Amino acid sequence: AQSVTQLDSQVPVFEEAPVELRCNYSSSVSVYLFWYVQYPNQGLQLLLKYLSGSTLVESINGFEAEFNKSQTSFHLRKPSVHISDTAEYFCAVSELRGSTLGRLYFGRGTQLTVWP
Amino acid sequence: DGGITQSPKYLFRKEGQNVTLSCEQNLNHDAMYWYRQDPGQGLRLIYYSQIVNDFQKGDIAEGYSVSREKKESFPLTVTSAQKNPTAFYLCATAPRQGVYEQFFGPGTRLTVL
Repeated sequence: AQSVTQLDSQVPVFEEAPVELRCNYSSSVSVYLFWYVQYPNQGLQLLLKYLSGSTLVESINGFEAEFNKSQTSFHLRKPSVHISDTAEYFCAVSELRGSTLGRLYFGRGTQLTVWP
Repeated sequence: DGGITQSPKYLFRKEGQNVTLSCEQNLNHDAMYWYRQDPGQGLRLIYYSQIVNDFQKGDIAEGYSVSREKKESFPLTVTSAQKNPTAFYLCATAPRQGVYEQFFGPGTRLTVL
């Protein structure tokens, strides 16, 4: 079964500092990759996704993630965080073939806390 | 206003009672999913349905049941057989099989006393 590892459960940073949230997955087949964000007591919102093409994908609020096939990673970065970025971030993977077609597998999440 | 509705937002039940969580969508999406979220454990798939009148077990289906009689609705029943039902439950949809992005509802927090 697909496994998604988010290496840090909590990441505290100061406002305007850069941040990287790490995500690795285990799959030998082609995948789609996603980052979702969750604010307290809310559902998940899609932040960005990699389906094909350029391995660097960007969101509208300054986050970016790079798909690295050789390292099976999809790390999320932002060069300068704001207090409003405080939330939990989930990495998710979907395999493009096999019996699990259509399913998303989630990591355990990384709580990003931005301090003033 | 299009979207996914989960009601109620907060739900309290006594131990031993069955409870049904509602998930309604007007996005005309074919696929619907139920996840359970516990602190530090991410999202775990309970059940999913790709079309009306068909559904499959996810990774933690024991103690839960679902139905998919209408495209718009995918209710989840938490039965008394579920040993630890207190959790945050999320419903999600996807346009059709083969489209992998999922859209999430606001969630229902179930507390069993």
